[in-house]
Amino acid sequence: LAKTTQPISMDSYEGQEVNITCSHNNIATNDYITWYQQFPSQGPRFIIQGYKTKVTNEVASLFIPADRKSSTLSLPRVSLSDTAVYYCLVGDWDDKIIFGKGTRLHILP
Amino acid sequence: EAGVTQSPTHLIKTRGQQATLRCSPISGHTSVYWYQQALGLGLQFLLWYDEGEERNRGNFPPRFSGRQFPNYSSELNVNALELEDSALYLCASSFPGGAGGYTFGSGTRLTVV
Repeated sequence: LAKTTQPISMDSYEGQEVNITCSHNNIATNDYITWYQQFPSQGPRFIIQGYKTKVTNEVASLFIPADRKSSTLSLPRVSLSDTAVYYCLVGDWDDKIIFGKGTRLHILP
Repeated sequence: EAGVTQSPTHLIKTRGQQATLRCSPISGHTSVYWYQQALGLGLQFLLWYDEGEERNRGNFPPRFSGRQFPNYSSELNVNALELEDSALYLCASSFPGGAGGYTFGSGTRLTVV
């Protein structure tokens, strides 16, 4: 299982673009990178998943460099409601997925 | 389409009792995962079921057990409850092996007094 390292916390302001980087030096060939968002007392919510290069959906973008040893979740124009814990997960489709401690993102007005 | 449903929402038990938590996955999902999240802490992997079989378990004592039924719903049983078992128990489902990511339920808040 590839271990991930993320910043413990980040602060940003409404309307800004927020980038959260995750390191996963031991990522395996079959591993995918998935990001989740969690609000207090709720289950995590799937945000985005990718294998390499760039993936974009309606809420975020995921940038993965060629060596895949890191990834960056990009949240455009954040609002107060984006205050949450964000988890970066790495694993393949046939293995249990271990959540790390995540990044506590705090959006300020 | 209904999401992952968990019941009960809240459960209060006394130390030494048994608790049973239930999870219904999204239609089409065959894998079910259980996680424990103590207050203010991260998610700890408990169990993974796929096609009715236990595929993997986390570092928890044997008094944490479960099963998956033919309709892919799942139960988590916690025997001989201890105070430190108080936590939010989250169930997630996915296509086989986690393809496309997990969908989580809202959890069961278990309080042991």
